[in-house]
Amino acid sequence: GQQVMQIPQYQHVQEGEDFTTYCNSSTTLSNIQWYKQRPGGHPVFLIQLVKSGEVKKQKRLTFQFGEAKKNSSLHITATQTTDVGTYFCAGPGRGSTLGRLYFGRGTQLTVWP
Amino acid sequence: NAGVMQNPRHLVRRRGQEARLRCSPMKGHSHVYWYRQLPEEGLKFMVYLQKENIIDESGMPKERFSAEFPKEGPSILRIQQVVRGDSAAYFCASSAGTSGNNEQFFGPGTRLTVL
Repeated sequence: GQQVMQIPQYQHVQEGEDFTTYCNSSTTLSNIQWYKQRPGGHPVFLIQLVKSGEVKKQKRLTFQFGEAKKNSSLHITATQTTDVGTYFCAGPGRGSTLGRLYFGRGTQLTVWP
Repeated sequence: NAGVMQNPRHLVRRRGQEARLRCSPMKGHSHVYWYRQLPEEGLKFMVYLQKENIIDESGMPKERFSAEFPKEGPSILRIQQVVRGDSAAYFCASSAGTSGNNEQFFGPGTRLTVL
């Protein structure tokens, strides 16, 4: 079945260092979404990418969607302690599962002050 | 503008009891999704519902679990005869349209503990 994979599962960085998480889908995606979940909290939508090769920025966060629309990345420049949390990518299903999102396992980011 | 509401936030049940989790989607949203999350793990899709219809229940265990989204009132996830392995956080999300093209808004979750 359709799968969305994310690496790494865990990342520990010192404040000020950069961070990147990678997402790969087993199928071509019509779009990809990114969510952040703070410890003890619930997932919150960050962004959606739709076009092949698309790059979007939100302050220190840069999101990319691969040319083949099967992979994506999230890069955080100069991490801060407020960036702590788990970052999930998610892609829509196809056919009979069109209405749902397939979530990656997430990358748990820890930032040391 | 109220977001997705879930109650209770915390639920403790003994083995063999029933657990009922409620979810009220955002105003104007007719698509509801339920997920289960174990500690240190990702979100596992359970079921996708629209008003009065189950669209996709491929992620839900065949036994003991059921979900509904009636014409009036919240969506309900029901777990009968709970076992310790059911202990997890259960999140509900809603979207304005099919989530293939729409972001999902998550509720705060219900943390279920089975003693």
